[in-house]
Amino acid sequence: DAGITQSPRHKVTETGTPVTLRCHQTENHRYMYWYRQDPGHGLRLIHYSYGVKDTDKGEVSDGYSVSRSKTEDFLLTLESATSSQTSVYFCAISGGRTGETYNYGYTFGSGTRLTVV
Amino acid sequence: SQQGEEDPQALSIQEGENATMNCSYKTSINNLQWYRQNSGRGLVHLILIRSNEREKHSGRLRVTLDTSKKSSSLLITASRAADTASYFCAAQGGSEKLVFGKGTKLTVNP
Repeated sequence: DAGITQSPRHKVTETGTPVTLRCHQTENHRYMYWYRQDPGHGLRLIHYSYGVKDTDKGEVSDGYSVSRSKTEDFLLTLESATSSQTSVYFCAISGGRTGETYNYGYTFGSGTRLTVV
Repeated sequence: SQQGEEDPQALSIQEGENATMNCSYKTSINNLQWYRQNSGRGLVHLILIRSNEREKHSGRLRVTLDTSKKSSSLLITASRAADTASYFCAAQGGSEKLVFGKGTKLTVNP
């Protein structure tokens, strides 16, 4: 998707290992989000950021941490991966360059498929 | 908990027919958005309707919003096989965050 990339696209990891997913944007948008998508649950918000070093928890944040040291990068870390964290992870951006908080659609990355074995 | 809930969960129609999907939400909103997701891909923003709007059009898409019933509908007219995808509604309430429903899986048969 233009302006937002996620890496890696696929990853298989072992239970108990740390994993970091990266989201990179070139749109200079203020807001960035991490969602997970699971069958029967739709998309659920993990963490989000409203600026450099400003982050907050979503509805399913346990076991995850995030960091945003630059406008363009938002990292999601699974401190100690568990099988329940097997999922597809999506990053999204919004807010435009002016930082308006409402009435902007989100732009999503292509997703990272994570399998914890 | 989910803010938006789509209905039906799955819909199968013939090419050329209209497809209607419904969404209900729980709290007051600033806007209601609809997204499409093709299999294995990220979500794509389709249309946004603000809380003070009742109807909005974009190409073959028509969205309605009834804030008194806390519901919205997405109509796709003259469906094509390429419209086959999952469709999600998402509500933006008092914070900037979007809360998504579980989606409607639309299949358009050629």
